[in-house]
Amino acid sequence: DAKTTQPNSMESNEEEPVHLPCNHSTISGTDYIHWYRQLPSQGPEYVIHGLTSNVNNRMASLAIAEDRKSSTLILHRATLRDAAVYYCILLSSGSARQLTFGSGTQLTVLP
Amino acid sequence: KAGVTQTPRYLIKTRGQQVTLSCSPISGHRSVSWYQQTPGQGLQFLFEYFSETQRNKGNFPGRFSGRQFSNSRSEMNVSTLELGDSALYLCASSLDRGAGGYTFGSGTRLTVV
Repeated sequence: DAKTTQPNSMESNEEEPVHLPCNHSTISGTDYIHWYRQLPSQGPEYVIHGLTSNVNNRMASLAIAEDRKSSTLILHRATLRDAAVYYCILLSSGSARQLTFGSGTQLTVLP
Repeated sequence: KAGVTQTPRYLIKTRGQQVTLSCSPISGHRSVSWYQQTPGQGLQFLFEYFSETQRNKGNFPGRFSGRQFSNSRSEMNVSTLELGDSALYLCASSLDRGAGGYTFGSGTRLTVV
């Protein structure tokens, strides 16, 4: 499986935008870029995904580099409830699909 | 609509016993995946079922097995429990084998003593 690299931790102030980076230099042309987050004592939660173009949904935006070797998850206004571990994952479109979780980025939101 | 339901929420078993965990996916979802989460190893993929067939399997011993029923509900079984099997077991369901995202349950916390 193609691997991703994320910073171990990041801090943000409440109500400010947060940009969470992810490097995936070995991504293949058919890999989707998925983001999940996990709040304490809960299962992971789907945030957003994309293939080549930037994507927006009610939770976040995903900016994908033109060469697809990196991406950035953007939370437009961080709240205390956004404090979680954020995982950037490459999901193959082939038959053997699985989410391969790395260690993720622990996001701390300061009031 | 109802989310992914896992039962039981908590379980304590003795080493050597076996255990069965249950997962009810979101209505209409035919793909169910299982993951193990431990503090040391993080989240690790166990297996995926789609339309009652195992489509993918992670790197776990044969003591870990699963199945999926015609209504898409899934069970996983762990036989001959070891202390190291203590973990949070998470189930995730998807409409399209994950392409549009997976929805996770809250998990079953298994403690082996």
